[in-house]
Amino acid sequence: DAKTTQPTSMDCAEGRAANLPCNHSTISGNEYVYWYRQIHSQGPQYIIHGLKNNETNEMASLIITEDRKSSTLILPHATLRDTAVYYCIVRPSNNAGNMLTFGGGTRLMVKP
Amino acid sequence: KAGVTQTPRYLIKTRGQQVTLSCSPISGHRSVSWYQQTPGQGLQFLFEYFSETQRNKGNFPGRFSGRQFSNSRSEMNVSTLELGDSALYLCASSLVPTSGRRTGELFFGEGSRLTVL
Repeated sequence: DAKTTQPTSMDCAEGRAANLPCNHSTISGNEYVYWYRQIHSQGPQYIIHGLKNNETNEMASLIITEDRKSSTLILPHATLRDTAVYYCIVRPSNNAGNMLTFGGGTRLMVKP
Repeated sequence: KAGVTQTPRYLIKTRGQQVTLSCSPISGHRSVSWYQQTPGQGLQFLFEYFSETQRNKGNFPGRFSGRQFSNSRSEMNVSTLELGDSALYLCASSLVPTSGRRTGELFFGEGSRLTVL
């Protein structure tokens, strides 16, 4: 399975864009990049996923580099409620179903 | 529609006891996965069920077991509890298992927090 590397923590000012990087240099061609977040005392919440094209939904944008070795999750206008641990996950390429491998994630602190 | 429901939310057991946790997936979801979250090991995959069959299993001892019923509800059991089993146990559901090009999101419940004394 491809491993991911994320900064341990980041700060962001409320109202500004939060850019969360993820390195997945060993990703295989058919592996997807997923992002989840976990707000304190809650279960993880799906944010977005992508293969090679940039993706956008109502929560965030996902930018994947052309070589697919890294990606960035962008929260365009961070609010205090976006304070959470953000996990970048590469879904296994074998038939591993919903077996996700979570790393340590990035603890994002949005400050007023 | 209702989310993933896990019961009980909190429980305290002593070493050597056994515990059963329950998970009701989102209506229509047929795949249920279980994860353990501890401060030291983070989120770790336990097992996944689909159509009452275990599809995948994580690297946990045989004391950890689970099952899925015909209505897609799932239970997990931990026997002979150890102090290290203290954790937040999370259940996640999806329509079907993610496989190949069929991608999808997991919907997690709020978890069952187990404390072993």
